[in-house]
Amino acid sequence: GAGVSQSPSNKVTEKGKDVELRCDPISGHTALYWYRQSLGQGLEFLIYFQGNSAPDKSGLPSDRFSAERTGGSVSTLTIQRTQQEDSAVYLCASSSSPSSDEQYFGPGTRLTVT
Amino acid sequence: QKEVEQDPGPLSVPEGAIVSLNCTYSNSAFQYFMWYRQYSRKGPELLMYTYSSGNKEDGRFTAQVDKSSKYISLFIRDSQPSDSATYLCAMRRTGGGNKLTFGTGTQLKVEL
Repeated sequence: GAGVSQSPSNKVTEKGKDVELRCDPISGHTALYWYRQSLGQGLEFLIYFQGNSAPDKSGLPSDRFSAERTGGSVSTLTIQRTQQEDSAVYLCASSSSPSSDEQYFGPGTRLTVT
Repeated sequence: QKEVEQDPGPLSVPEGAIVSLNCTYSNSAFQYFMWYRQYSRKGPELLMYTYSSGNKEDGRFTAQVDKSSKYISLFIRDSQPSDSATYLCAMRRTGGGNKLTFGTGTQLKVEL
């Protein structure tokens, strides 16, 4: 079956512009996660959605970052007024339930802020 | 100091070698441990997970956890060129939701 998909695969933007990154989780997966992978930094947790519960936003690095998940499925991560330090690969993952440790990752969106 | 430390490598081994990959952690609240493999320009894929100290084997892969030393390992037997990838350890706290804390990853190259 289809895995987690993300779009766009690559995004180049100018400093100060807003960007939107999209994630389509595996159908039926109730939990959705966003991570950021910077060079030499490993994956950094950003935000977690589970069903209709309030999201865990504890990893968002600043108020320029926000995310929403519509209808319990597709999620959009928005970065406002992008900065060069926002350049990274943004990865989305989903899992079948909050008790599942198996998170399935998408291929990521490579964001470059010039 | 990072909560999870992992040597970034790169690690280069000949085909057929036994590979040992390691992570250390500082927070004893971490109780659930995973290893992910990430090929270039791809998302990570889960290889193994374990919840208890000791060894867990799956084919050519063995995950080892020593909670008393806060040390985890992944062993790959009979390594193949297709094992060339970055290996990430990840761990989760009890009561911390499902967010994972990752190591920086070790880049492995298995040469013919």
